[in-house]
Amino acid sequence: DTAVSQTPKYLVTQMGNDKSIKCEQNLGHDTMYWYKQDSKKFLKIMFSYNNKELIINETVPNRFSPKSPDKAHLNLHINSLELGDSAVYFCASSQDSEGQPQHFGDGTRLSIL
Amino acid sequence: GEDVEQSLFLSVREGDSSVINCTYTDSSSTYLYWYKQEPGAGLQLLTYIFSNMDMKQDQRLTVLLNKKDKHLSLRIADTQTGDSAIYFCAERGFKTIFGAGTRLFVKA
Repeated sequence: DTAVSQTPKYLVTQMGNDKSIKCEQNLGHDTMYWYKQDSKKFLKIMFSYNNKELIINETVPNRFSPKSPDKAHLNLHINSLELGDSAVYFCASSQDSEGQPQHFGDGTRLSIL
Repeated sequence: GEDVEQSLFLSVREGDSSVINCTYTDSSSTYLYWYKQEPGAGLQLLTYIFSNMDMKQDQRLTVLLNKKDKHLSLRIADTQTGDSAIYFCAERGFKTIFGAGTRLFVKA
């Protein structure tokens, strides 16, 4: 029944490793997003896809690469993890890219050792 | 650039009304949103208002929008301990910009 689901919920790994976070939505939405929430709860958009096409690509390191195999999925791959990547990463989706409200997943808590 | 500001903390007694304020800078905003985040959880959409509206009411929640002053508020009537959470204001121009969140503490 979960509308926006992301896996894993927790990710603990060492510096320098490569990891992926998966996101799926079953709402039939056209647009999906990745956000990063830091330890002070500040939420910043990273990427947005509309119908599998990248429409927002904020200033994030090239080590972060999103992939949208279809409009229901948006995965995030991170290469060469650094300590500063520790955060909660949220996936979200919305009906369109024009302003309909976004529905969020429960987040992936990434901790870099 | 676009910015959304809100106070970081608010403390109220159970049964009182809570008013969380937010200011934004993007005059082309089309939608304004309020989200709630409980510990360890994602953001839950509470309500939203289109920029051509002044007010929206939904059960215990009242949203007021002053477009001239770019000011948005969320009033929670009869605040309960279960309302303790972080409340995020967000505005939608080209993209959605979130405020830093207001931490609401409800004292029994």
